[in-house]
Amino acid sequence: AQKITQTQPGMFVQEKEAVTLDCTYDTSDPSYGLFWYKQPSSGEMIFLIYQGSYDQQNATEGRYSLNFQKARKSANLVISASQLGDSAMYFCAMRGVSYIPTFGRGTSLIVHP
Amino acid sequence: DAGVIQSPRHEVTEMGQEVTLRCKPISGHNSLFWYRQTMMRGLELLIYFNNNVPIDDSGMPEDRFSAKMPNASFSTLKIQPSEPRDSAVYFCASSANEQFFGPGTRLTVL
Repeated sequence: AQKITQTQPGMFVQEKEAVTLDCTYDTSDPSYGLFWYKQPSSGEMIFLIYQGSYDQQNATEGRYSLNFQKARKSANLVISASQLGDSAMYFCAMRGVSYIPTFGRGTSLIVHP
Repeated sequence: DAGVIQSPRHEVTEMGQEVTLRCKPISGHNSLFWYRQTMMRGLELLIYFNNNVPIDDSGMPEDRFSAKMPNASFSTLKIQPSEPRDSAVYFCASSANEQFFGPGTRLTVL
């Protein structure tokens, strides 16, 4: 069985600072993918970034980067230079060989001006 | 590409009525997922289709829920009869590798 754990129910960050949202996972699958999504107050689920378990480098997409530590089974999302519009819920998810995704409970991020 | 398209965006109905939610996945994506999101239970996977075939429907709450995917560009989720506890946001998502979500349907059952 797959499991995603997001231990931070809420996080606060000052505008323009960097913030790290934690995600740990558990799986016995030999290969898997890890995802992060943003859900603003408007409700849509926005795909941010993807990391494959065999990717040699950490994924980056603009101000988003994924700090992938395979041995520790962690896939933390780093947001650099936070903006007010980054305030949202953030979900970590993984998908193994079954292709069925598992989502964490989410972390609420609030960016202060 | 227009992304995943869902309709309606909002639905308010009375208990006992039939509700049909619709989804058009991204062209070329061979996997389609239906999710339900509530404050209490978070994001739950209801059913997963691959190449139009239901692969895993273990998340479908009960027989009142049914889902179909008659072709690669269309899927429906039907609730009959609807109950107040079905009130939630229902998302459709499709993927080839990364998974993309539709805007969701906010369902309220009175």
